[in-house]
Amino acid sequence: DSGVTQTPKHLITATGQRVTLRCSPRSGDLSVYWYQQSLDQGLQFLIQYYNGEERAKGNILERFSAQQFPDLHSELNLSSLELGDSALYFCASSRLNTGELFFGEGSRLTVL
Amino acid sequence: AQRVTQPEKLLSVFKGAPVELKCNYSYSGSPELFWYVQYSRQRLQLLLRHISRESIKGFTADLNKGETSFHLKKPFAQEEDSAMYYCALKSGAGSYQLTFGKGTKLSVIP
Repeated sequence: DSGVTQTPKHLITATGQRVTLRCSPRSGDLSVYWYQQSLDQGLQFLIQYYNGEERAKGNILERFSAQQFPDLHSELNLSSLELGDSALYFCASSRLNTGELFFGEGSRLTVL
Repeated sequence: AQRVTQPEKLLSVFKGAPVELKCNYSYSGSPELFWYVQYSRQRLQLLLRHISRESIKGFTADLNKGETSFHLKKPFAQEEDSAMYYCALKSGAGSYQLTFGKGTKLSVIP
């Protein structure tokens, strides 16, 4: 399957901890996007990378950081976790800047 | 700041009835608008974009700049149309950010 792959699918952790979410884009896609979906909040744009460089930044907290590696996979790091960080985190990729994003299945983070 | 509003969280219609999913946006420039759909147990995927002016699965959407709206319409709903629908905005060709609305869950009653 050459679609967007996200790991882990589910993650349960405690407040104050740090986690890393990983995303592998579709083959050939240079752009990676991260979105957060909380209850009743819809899809909130966090950050976007193109070929290793940050291109757009949304409402990403300072406790969160991301990067895209030379092999184009991306990681989203969430630290000093709070209960409110519990959400579904989506990664998406695209080849061209047409607005057509290809989404992964998401990583569900639960902070207890 | 750009914003996308989908006023209905849930919309229920009978099979064969017309469907209109509302989307309003706020952006002062020339936006690009999209509709994304997520069927049960599937990934979020692009349904259509206003630039293409295409009809996908019988759905159409017209960008109304005067009313800042991009409503999604279908004349006759089918059961397989039941899904979560998201309207999204891209603030111009040079922008990389896609802003989504909160989504509307469409339920088609057989």
